[in-house]
Amino acid sequence: QQPVQSPQAVILREGEDAVINCSSSKALYSVHWYRQKHGEAPVFLMILLKGGEQKGHEKISASFNEKKQQSSLYLTASQLSYSGTYFCGTDINTGTASKLTFGTGTRLQVTL
Amino acid sequence: DVKVTQSSRYLVKRTGEKVFLECVQDMDHENMFWYRQDPGLGLRLIYFSYDVKMKEKGDIPEGYSVSREKKERFSLILESASTNQTSMYLCASSLDLSYEQYFGPGTRLTVT
Repeated sequence: QQPVQSPQAVILREGEDAVINCSSSKALYSVHWYRQKHGEAPVFLMILLKGGEQKGHEKISASFNEKKQQSSLYLTASQLSYSGTYFCGTDINTGTASKLTFGTGTRLQVTL
Repeated sequence: DVKVTQSSRYLVKRTGEKVFLECVQDMDHENMFWYRQDPGLGLRLIYFSYDVKMKEKGDIPEGYSVSREKKERFSLILESASTNQTSMYLCASSLDLSYEQYFGPGTRLTVT
């Protein structure tokens, strides 16, 4: 079952902040975040492993609440280059060959 | 840099044809994946492989098969193409199932 992402779409002015949420109905081993720009392949942003760690890279960070089976991606002081569709991928690690199940995406548009 | 290449960017086939989509990665990755991407549905896993000649079904394997005879090459086969298989197909590879995935540029397949 695909994780649920919210919001489905968001429009920001440059410099504003945004939060994208990813919720699963199953216990999670890890959460992956990717960004896909229009006409391009998805590009990896970060992985969060079970343990509730928070990771960050410059102005993009993420948290993982394993009890709530949720992850959130935080974009701070957004830039035009942040525009694209953001996907979370969840891994429930059943013990067999694990795989990612991606959400339907959140479309982010940053304007001047 | 990891490079994942796909044999065609655009492909047009007729209903009932057998279709081969090829994917090659140059980083000696153990794991390779095939996804299809449709508007509003995100990335959905068709099949993946964690070793040569090994394959696992993803979430939507019906109507597809795969082949992995060599480590660097993973093929997706549509035995008898149908119009509902018109989609963007993305290949990806990763060093480990819990590591980041590197995506190819995608093949936009149209079945008429």
